[in-house]
Amino acid sequence: ETGVTQTPRHLVMGMTNKKSLKCEQHLGHNAMYWYKQSAKKPLELMFVYSLEERVENNSVPSRFSPECPNSSHLFLHLHTLQPEDSALYLCASSLKVGETQYFGPGTRLLVL
Amino acid sequence: AQTVTQSQPEMSVQEAETVTLSCTYDTSESDYYLFWYKQPPSRQMILVIRQEAYKQQNATENRFSVNFQKAAKSFSLKISDSQLGDAAMYFCALNAGGTSYGKLTFGQGTILTVHP
Repeated sequence: ETGVTQTPRHLVMGMTNKKSLKCEQHLGHNAMYWYKQSAKKPLELMFVYSLEERVENNSVPSRFSPECPNSSHLFLHLHTLQPEDSALYLCASSLKVGETQYFGPGTRLLVL
Repeated sequence: AQTVTQSQPEMSVQEAETVTLSCTYDTSESDYYLFWYKQPPSRQMILVIRQEAYKQQNATENRFSVNFQKAAKSFSLKISDSQLGDAAMYFCALNAGGTSYGKLTFGQGTILTVHP
């Protein structure tokens, strides 16, 4: 595999469920990002990790919990989400923070 | 704060013709990077072209080129010899330094339709 991969590609969950989104990059990068893309809104940066340490948290609700166990993997743990959290969640990576970002295919999330 | 504005929600072009997508931005930083990303129906965000602010020469990548006007804070994308596969949503993005270091700020996007 090459580039940035995300699983699952589609996810439907109830408001009481707990689920996790996974991102993996095969580019040897040291920085990883989570973005949220809602309909008719610009992409919103959620979290930034550099060498497994969180360096940015854009006032994201606590029902979103990121985890970066190593520089190749990034998770987004979801619990007690709201219908307005339904969106496309994009993962990206870059050689280091500030460098060009390369995106995964996204996970389309629907919260019922 | 940094902002990116794309004033064209939709654009269309005939196959093999040329189209220009507009983007303006604002930042107080002197060192920054500008990007155009393409998002086809598959939703994969694909890097099209990148421009470093310190470079005066406009970036080119095959059929894609930019017109970077630093004083005017303008960064337009020209697509030459348009192909059906160019149809997508195009996003302009800014990566500046300072307190926004590492953060990509995106515009609202422009939907490009290519007519055969």
